[in-house]
Amino acid sequence: LAKTTQPISMDSYEGQEVNITCSHNNIATNDYITWYQQFPSQGPRFIIQGYKTKVTNEVASLFIPADRKSSTLSLPRVSLSDTAVYYCLAVYGGATNKLIFGTGTLLAVQP
Amino acid sequence: DTGVSQDPRHKITKRGQNVTFRCDPISEHNRLYWYRQTLGQGPEFLTYFQNEAQLEKSRLLSDRFSAERPKGSFSTLEIQRTEQGDSAMYLCASSLGGNPYEQYFGPGTRLTVT
Repeated sequence: LAKTTQPISMDSYEGQEVNITCSHNNIATNDYITWYQQFPSQGPRFIIQGYKTKVTNEVASLFIPADRKSSTLSLPRVSLSDTAVYYCLAVYGGATNKLIFGTGTLLAVQP
Repeated sequence: DTGVSQDPRHKITKRGQNVTFRCDPISEHNRLYWYRQTLGQGPEFLTYFQNEAQLEKSRLLSDRFSAERPKGSFSTLEIQRTEQGDSAMYLCASSLGGNPYEQYFGPGTRLTVT
């Protein structure tokens, strides 16, 4: 059964690094893992995607181990404005209709 | 603003009525997706277009749901004979064909069925 799981919530303080992990067993071998950020009453916003090892852009890093059964989104030096729900998106079976978002992680950043 | 717009932003309807939502994607994006999101859950895939062709539909998309993208630009999602269980946020996203998972989402249409 395809399932993409994440911790329900995480707490952090401003300036800390935050790592959010997503589990996605049996994902398609040739598709990317993607992470999105969502604020209340808005659609998700693309953050980063990767296939394996490490990817870094101006806002985050993404770590994917060789077995690709999990991925970790790393947010350096979070601020209050990073308080949001973070979703990973994985593809199962190589088909678009097997696009499965994770359950979402609510990150609460405190001053 | 991602460049993807949806209309209306909110819709309240009575059970049994038909509703139609519109999505205008980023103009150069050839892929368009519809998702449904309920409170506390991640988006659930409904259907996907490449240009004007509807290529895949989720089993979540019952016979009461239909989507079109007649000229490969904007898309509509119609729900017939609405039920209370249809209450949700309906999200539209678009992407370039070369990178289908970097999707740009609209603000969503929140449907409330009373």
